[in-house]
Amino acid sequence: NAGVTQTPKFRVLKTGQSMTLLCAQDMNHEYMYWYRQDPGMGLRLIHYSVGEGTTAKGEVPDGYNVSRLKKQNFLLGLESAAPSQTSVYFCASSFLVAGANVLTFGAGSRLTVL
Amino acid sequence: KQEVTQIPAALSVPEGENLVLNCSFTDSAIYNLQWFRQDPGKGLTSLLLIQSSQREQTSGRLNASLDKSSGRSTLYIAASQPGDSATYLCAVASDYKLSFGAGTTVTVRA
Repeated sequence: NAGVTQTPKFRVLKTGQSMTLLCAQDMNHEYMYWYRQDPGMGLRLIHYSVGEGTTAKGEVPDGYNVSRLKKQNFLLGLESAAPSQTSVYFCASSFLVAGANVLTFGAGSRLTVL
Repeated sequence: KQEVTQIPAALSVPEGENLVLNCSFTDSAIYNLQWFRQDPGKGLTSLLLIQSSQREQTSGRLNASLDKSSGRSTLYIAASQPGDSATYLCAVASDYKLSFGAGTTVTVRA
C-alpha cells in the first residue's frame, strides 16, 4: 500500500551539480506530475505525463527535464542546479473518475542548492 | 492562465469555532475544484472534490461550496478541533492539470 514514493527525501547540492529525483507509484495511474512548492506561492506545475513515454511542460519547466520510460516511474532531473531551484518538490499521480482527476501525492523531496 | 487566490493566508481560532476558508479563481472554465489538507513536512491529502456541475460537497464536518460563475469556493469546517490545524489548499482543474492557491494556514487553539 505504498501509493506514491519519492526518493530522496532530502538533498543538498552545490550550484552547478546535477541530480535526479525519482517518483514511483504502484497504483497503475496513467498521469503523473512534478510540482514545486515555495513559501507563499502554492504548488506550481513543472512537468507532467499523460502516459508511458510521454511528457509535457507545465508552468515552470525551465532548468528541469523529465522522463517516463516506465508507467510507474517519473524522473525529474536538474542538469545544472541553481539556488533558485531550492524548494520542496512533490510528485503526484492520478486517474480519472467520472471525469474528475483524482491526485495522490508523495511526501515531498526537500532540495537545497547552495 | 488560471490564477487561484486564497484569503486569508493564516487564521487562528479557538476550539469549537466554525472555520470559513475562501478560494477564488480567475477562469471559470474548470472541470472541478478540490480542497487539500497539508500537514507540516507532509504531502497533500485530498479532502473534497466538487465537479463543475455541482454546487456543494460534504464530508463529515467539512462542507465545500462552488460558485463557478463568480469564481469562488468556500470550505466550511464545523466545530473546529486542534487536530484541524494544518494548511488548506484549493486547486482548480483544467484538463489534466491543477492550479493551486498558496493555501490558508489554520491554527485551532485548545
